[in-house]
Amino acid sequence: AQTVTQSQPEMSVQEAETVTLSCTYDTSESDYYLFWYKQPPSRQMILVIRQEAYKQQNATENRFSVNFQKAAKSFSLKISDSQLGDAAMYFCAYKTGANNLFFGTGTRLTVIP
Amino acid sequence: EAGVAQSPRYKIIEKRQSVAFWCNPISGHATLYWYQQILGQGPKLLIQFQNNGVVDDSQLPKDRFSAERLKGVDSTLKIQPAKLEDSAVYLCASSYNPGPRLETQYFGPGTRLLVL
Repeated sequence: AQTVTQSQPEMSVQEAETVTLSCTYDTSESDYYLFWYKQPPSRQMILVIRQEAYKQQNATENRFSVNFQKAAKSFSLKISDSQLGDAAMYFCAYKTGANNLFFGTGTRLTVIP
Repeated sequence: EAGVAQSPRYKIIEKRQSVAFWCNPISGHATLYWYQQILGQGPKLLIQFQNNGVVDDSQLPKDRFSAERLKGVDSTLKIQPAKLEDSAVYLCASSYNPGPRLETQYFGPGTRLLVL
């Protein structure tokens, strides 16, 4: 069975600094997709970034980038130049083919002004 | 483009009562999902619809939970009777579903349920 582990329940970062959120997963599949979702307080969950397992190049979306280590089954999220609006719960999620999203337990990110 | 709409936003009921949640997906999105998010946990899929057919309801507690998606658009999720452990945020999501490589799920704001 697939599992997604986020070992950091809480993280904090100074505004304008860089922070990395960790995620590991367990799967026997070779073709799958990984996601980071952001859930701000009392607001809806939005997709931050996605990575397809067959792609070796790490995905990047503006200030957000991932470090995808397929052999290690690791998928960390790096947020550069952190902003107050980045404060939220961040969920790592995994999906294979037609199967559904399987989420980790989340990391609460606090941005310190 | 309007997002996924859900109502109500908050609901407080007593155990053994019934409750219903409503979701209106993004226009044109064929796939609709209901998730349960218990405090401190990630969302867990309850049921997935493709148009008005059920694709996956393996995690839905069918003795008390039911869901329907008439006409392949709006959906309702019902709990009857509610238990204390049903206290959670119920999230609805939809996707255009052009294929697994391109699918992105868009989430609604959720309904926060408290069972007393």
